[in-house]
Amino acid sequence: AAGVIQSPRHLIKEKRETATLKCYPIPRHDTVYWYQQGPGQDPQFLISFYEKMQSDKGSIPDRFSAQQFSDYHSELNMSSLELGDSALYFCASSMGQALRGYTFGSGTRLTVV
Amino acid sequence: AQSVTQLGSHVSVSEGALVLLRCNYSSSVPPYLFWYVQYPNQGLQLLLKYTSAATLVKGINGFEAEFKKSETSFHLTKPSAHMSDAAEYFCAVSDVKAAGNKLTFGGGTRVLVKP
Repeated sequence: AAGVIQSPRHLIKEKRETATLKCYPIPRHDTVYWYQQGPGQDPQFLISFYEKMQSDKGSIPDRFSAQQFSDYHSELNMSSLELGDSALYFCASSMGQALRGYTFGSGTRLTVV
Repeated sequence: AQSVTQLGSHVSVSEGALVLLRCNYSSSVPPYLFWYVQYPNQGLQLLLKYTSAATLVKGINGFEAEFKKSETSFHLTKPSAHMSDAAEYFCAVSDVKAAGNKLTFGGGTRVLVKP
């Protein structure tokens, strides 16, 4: 079965650079979620989109922005990168409310040096 | 706001022994609760979920969890640990909205299985 695809799997950037992470949801899923997991930490919700509109917002820095496109894929744009942005970034997708849980991608590991 | 507390950041069990991971939640509305497993350098895989149906929930890989409203708990168990169960386990509660819902995770419990 198709899963949530994230690209790239690994990314190394320097401080103050910009990074773009991509997420391709499971076909027919209309909702996308982004989470950030720092080293040794639990995942923290960043932002979500439903039908291409932002549906919820968590602890996402102002330096980050995201959107969901017409084909339902989503991109997380991160500017002025800081060392503390080094983390595993997960995308998940669902159909609607996902009351039964949703499916996570394998994540993008971002390292800022 | 909803929250989840996992008791014990590390648990060590012998192969074949009972695995018990504790999770307590706080929610102002009937909760939807989940357990996820994360293997090293991998994503989060759903183990099982409670969505207000049966209080004893069976999941994959022989895991099960029991929802106890009186104790606000959703502990995860497996009768007999296997080496492949070594991973980090996260309990999560959902914040249900009209469109989508975010998950609030506990701090995670890392399971070590000794031969």
